[in-house]
Amino acid sequence: AQSVTQLGSHVSVSEGALVLLRCNYSSSVPPYLFWYVQYPNQGLQLLLKYTSAATLVKGINGFEAEFKKSETSFHLTKPSAHMSDAAEYFCAVRSQAGTALIFGKGTTLSVSS
Amino acid sequence: NAGVTQTPKFQVLKTGQSMTLQCAQDMNHNSMYWYRQDPGMGLRLIYYSASEGTTDKGEVPNGYNVSRLNKREFSLRLESAAPSQTSVYFCASSTQGGLSNQPQHFGDGTRLSIL
Repeated sequence: AQSVTQLGSHVSVSEGALVLLRCNYSSSVPPYLFWYVQYPNQGLQLLLKYTSAATLVKGINGFEAEFKKSETSFHLTKPSAHMSDAAEYFCAVRSQAGTALIFGKGTTLSVSS
Repeated sequence: NAGVTQTPKFQVLKTGQSMTLQCAQDMNHNSMYWYRQDPGMGLRLIYYSASEGTTDKGEVPNGYNVSRLNKREFSLRLESAAPSQTSVYFCASSTQGGLSNQPQHFGDGTRLSIL
């Protein structure tokens, strides 16, 4: 069965520092992976998705993620954090039956000046 | 572009009351979903509709019913609300279900409190 583990429920960085949010997945079929961001009192917005065309995926707002099959990981990074990046981030994998998404429990990113 | 619209945005119920959460999408998507979000739990699937005329249970369907009224609308009903159903409910839609990499598009959520 598919599952997603996000390491660290809360990550704090300084403005301008590297952002690294970790996601490991378990999947018995080639995975379809997604990162979503949720700002306070809003819905989820797609940041990027893994399509199997390239292992390094670029998304919106300067974020990117690298798919590593050997490590079953899909970590999200951004070279330089901005205050506006403060939000909750969710990694998700499509279920084996393809019926819906299976979400990790989320990582809250705090950015300090 | 409206995308996915959920109503109401906020609701307070008493235990035992019933209510229906409404969801509509204007993107001509085939598949629609209802999730609940609880602190530290991520999002969990309640019900989904792969296409008009079909509905199926997700991970946490107990206490809920759904109706896919037409291609645009997918409603979630709580027949007899319980405090454990206090949560934020999200509706989502996608072009298609199945083994594809099509993302889901989310509404802004309904914040439901049950006293």
